[in-house]
Amino acid sequence: DGGITQSPKYLFRKEGQNVTLSCEQNLNHDAMYWYRQDPGQGLRLIYYSQIVNDFQKGDIAEGYSVSREKKESFPLTVTSAQKNPTAFYLCASSPRTPIPHNEQFFGPGTRLTVL
Amino acid sequence: GQSLEQPSEVTAVEGAIVQINCTYQTSGFYGLSWYQQHDGGAPTFLSYNALDGLEETGRFSSFLSRSDSYGYLLLQELQMKDSASYFCAVSANDYKLSFGAGTTVTVRA
Repeated sequence: DGGITQSPKYLFRKEGQNVTLSCEQNLNHDAMYWYRQDPGQGLRLIYYSQIVNDFQKGDIAEGYSVSREKKESFPLTVTSAQKNPTAFYLCASSPRTPIPHNEQFFGPGTRLTVL
Repeated sequence: GQSLEQPSEVTAVEGAIVQINCTYQTSGFYGLSWYQQHDGGAPTFLSYNALDGLEETGRFSSFLSRSDSYGYLLLQELQMKDSASYFCAVSANDYKLSFGAGTTVTVRA
């Protein structure tokens, strides 16, 4: 089955620790995205990548870092510089074409709690 | 940048019709999408409008007026399983989506 996987589903970390969230897709999509969702709020874009070895900052990139070394993988690191890291993190992917109908396919999410 | 406004909550009974409005401000507008998210789950795509008019997909329909920077999602014959959050999202001249804050729809028996 094609899809997007995120692991783990729940993650707990101590304040001051960096943590990396996994996102893998086998849909052969070029574009991948990371969103943050806080309770009762919409999705805010952290980083996105349109092609391997290239990525751009979204609206709330401070305190986060990403890499895109393989087409199918787009890991997100939440660094100790992120002041409020506790949130629900969603990864998505989409084909670069056709444009403009860039439907995004989402993974199940990782709920990060920083203690 | 982009900004979107949609109501925060809507409550209706089974079998009713619900309309969720979305107004947006954006540059380089391409289209308006709608996503559904059940509590704790992943958002899933519902519909997309690039041109003015109504798009119908089963019990759900979506409308767009580009001149008014306005769209809506119409949920008909409401079922309990339709209780979820619904997000409008605009796509502009890039590969990004900008999401609204979401509308929580509660369906009562």
